Amino acid sequence: AQKITQTQPGMFVQEKEAVTLDCTYDTSDPSYGLFWYKQPSSGEMIFLIYQGSYDQQNATEGRYSLNFQKARKSANLVISASQLGDSAMYFCAMRGDLGGSTLTFGKGTMLLVSP
Amino acid sequence: DTGVSQDPRHKITKRGQNVTFRCDPISEHNRLYWYRQTLGQGPEFLTYFQNEAQLEKSRLLSDRFSAERPKGSFSTLEIQRTEQGDSAMYLCASSLGTLEAFFGQGTRLTVV
Repeated sequence: AQKITQTQPGMFVQEKEAVTLDCTYDTSDPSYGLFWYKQPSSGEMIFLIYQGSYDQQNATEGRYSLNFQKARKSANLVISASQLGDSAMYFCAMRGDLGGSTLTFGKGTMLLVSP
Repeated sequence: DTGVSQDPRHKITKRGQNVTFRCDPISEHNRLYWYRQTLGQGPEFLTYFQNEAQLEKSRLLSDRFSAERPKGSFSTLEIQRTEQGDSAMYLCASSLGTLEAFFGQGTRLTVV
């Protein structure tokens, strides 16, 4: 079974500052993928970034980077230079490559960016 | 708009009624997923299709739930004899193989 844990129900950050959203995971699959999604109040889940378990480098996508520490089973999302539009729910998810292609999600972290 | 489209966006129904939701995936995507999201939780997997074949179903998908994807294009999710516990956001996603899944805006179901 796979499990994602997001321990921060809510986070506050000031505009232009960086913020780290925590995610730890548990799986018995030797190969897996880790994802971060953003869910604004409109409800749509927006894909942000992906990290494969065998990727040598941490993934980056614009202002988003994934701090992947395999030994610690953590996959934290770092958002640099926060913007007001970053206020949303953020979900960490994983997919085990042996268990089909479905995603297991955490409970999410609500990020609020203040001016 | 070439994203995943879901219809309706909102549905209010009386307990015991049947409801059907539709999802139109991104056109070249062969995989289609249904998830359910309740308040304060992350999405939970319900079922997925590869082309027209339904390959996996969650324990959450009781006998009152059925999903189809005729011809491997759009999909429908039907809930029969709705219960208050069915109130949730129903999310559809699609992907090209095992690449990242793209989600629609969801259908919010309220059972009164």
